[in-house]
Amino acid sequence: GAGVSQSPSNKVTEKGKDVELRCDPISGHTALYWYRQSLGQGLEFLIYFQGNSAPDKSGLPSDRFSAERTGGSVSTLTIQRTQQEDSAVYLCASSLGASGGQDTQYFGPGTRLTVL
Amino acid sequence: QKEVEQNSGPLSVPEGAIASLNCTYSDRGSQSFFWYRQYSGKSPELIMSIYSNGDKEDGRFTAQLNKASQYVSLLIRDSQPSDSATYLCAVKGSNFGNEKLTFGTGTRLTIIP
Repeated sequence: GAGVSQSPSNKVTEKGKDVELRCDPISGHTALYWYRQSLGQGLEFLIYFQGNSAPDKSGLPSDRFSAERTGGSVSTLTIQRTQQEDSAVYLCASSLGASGGQDTQYFGPGTRLTVL
Repeated sequence: QKEVEQNSGPLSVPEGAIASLNCTYSDRGSQSFFWYRQYSGKSPELIMSIYSNGDKEDGRFTAQLNKASQYVSLLIRDSQPSDSATYLCAVKGSNFGNEKLTFGTGTRLTIIP
């Protein structure tokens, strides 16, 4: 079946502009995650949605970052007043949302954000 | 101390040999461990997951977990050039409901034909 999809695949923006990144999870997956990967760095957790529960926002680096998930499916990550240090690949993942720790996350292709 | 540590490499292994990738983690209560493969410019792809002490084999891949030593490894037998990639170790935290993955910075593996 279809995997996680993300759009756009590439985004170039000017410093100070707002950007929106979109993620479509695998159908039937109730959990959705956002990570980012900067050049030469590991993946950094940003935010986690599970069903109708309040999201875990503990990884968001500043209040310029926000995310929402409408209807328990599609998610949008918004970065306001972008800075050059926001340049990275933003990866979305989804999982079934099973409890017990054995829930596998599947990643989308990512959005490469470049802030000039 | 980083939460998840990996040797960044690069690790070069001759084709047909065994590649051994190592990872240590700091949260003693961690329960779930994952190895992802990431080709250059691509997103991470799950290779193995392991939850119990010991070995878990899947084809040419074997994951090994030692919770007492807080150590997890991935062995790749009969290495192929297509195995050349960055391998990411990921650990899920011990807190109930904490589903986020903490990743190491990855080990870059090159298989030499």
